[in-house]
Amino acid sequence: NAGVTQTPKFQVLKTGQSMTLQCAQDMNHEYMSWYRQDPGMGLRLIHYSVGAGITDQGEVPNGYNVSRSTTEDFPLRLLSAAPSQTSVYFCASSSSPDRGYGYTFGSGTRLTVV
Amino acid sequence: AQSVTQPDIHITVSEGASLELRCNYSYGATPYLFWYVQSPGQGLQLLLKYFSGDTLVQGIKGFEAEFKRSQSSFNLRKPSVHWSDAAEYFCAVGDGNFNKFYFGSGTKLNVKP
Repeated sequence: NAGVTQTPKFQVLKTGQSMTLQCAQDMNHEYMSWYRQDPGMGLRLIHYSVGAGITDQGEVPNGYNVSRSTTEDFPLRLLSAAPSQTSVYFCASSSSPDRGYGYTFGSGTRLTVV
Repeated sequence: AQSVTQPDIHITVSEGASLELRCNYSYGATPYLFWYVQSPGQGLQLLLKYFSGDTLVQGIKGFEAEFKRSQSSFNLRKPSVHWSDAAEYFCAVGDGNFNKFYFGSGTKLNVKP
């Protein structure tokens, strides 16, 4: 099925561990982004990419790294997990955000850092 | 700076009643506005969008929204709510390049039978 696939769906990490959240889309979308969702705060942009090899920071980039080596994949890396990074993470993609097209969202990764 | 305010955290309506969810935005130029819906445990689904033209926009599932520049608002409406509409609703504004989107904190809708 076409769409945005996120793995894993759930993850528990210990403080200081590293991990990569995977995101893949099969719609040939140029634009991809990562958001985190926290209660009462809506979604906040972490990083985004407008095409392979091009990434930029969003509102809350600290503690996260991204890269975009292919159009399809946009992994999010936590280098040293902290309890403040406990959240639900969403990956989203869009074909033409500059023409007002909305996102297609993945189903999310629920991350707990203990 | 761009921002979106959804003043109602929770709203409860009876099935069949009308619905209006409020959204106010802060943006210096012409805003590009969106409403999304999120069912429990799911990602967000686009309901409708506005970026030019008619200020009343129609979306999926019978929803509509009206852009009012003078009030900096983009309220979501539905004439008759169904039990399946129970979910969380997010308003969002995109910047001029659409590289960054700013979301409100969401409104949870409960539907009474």
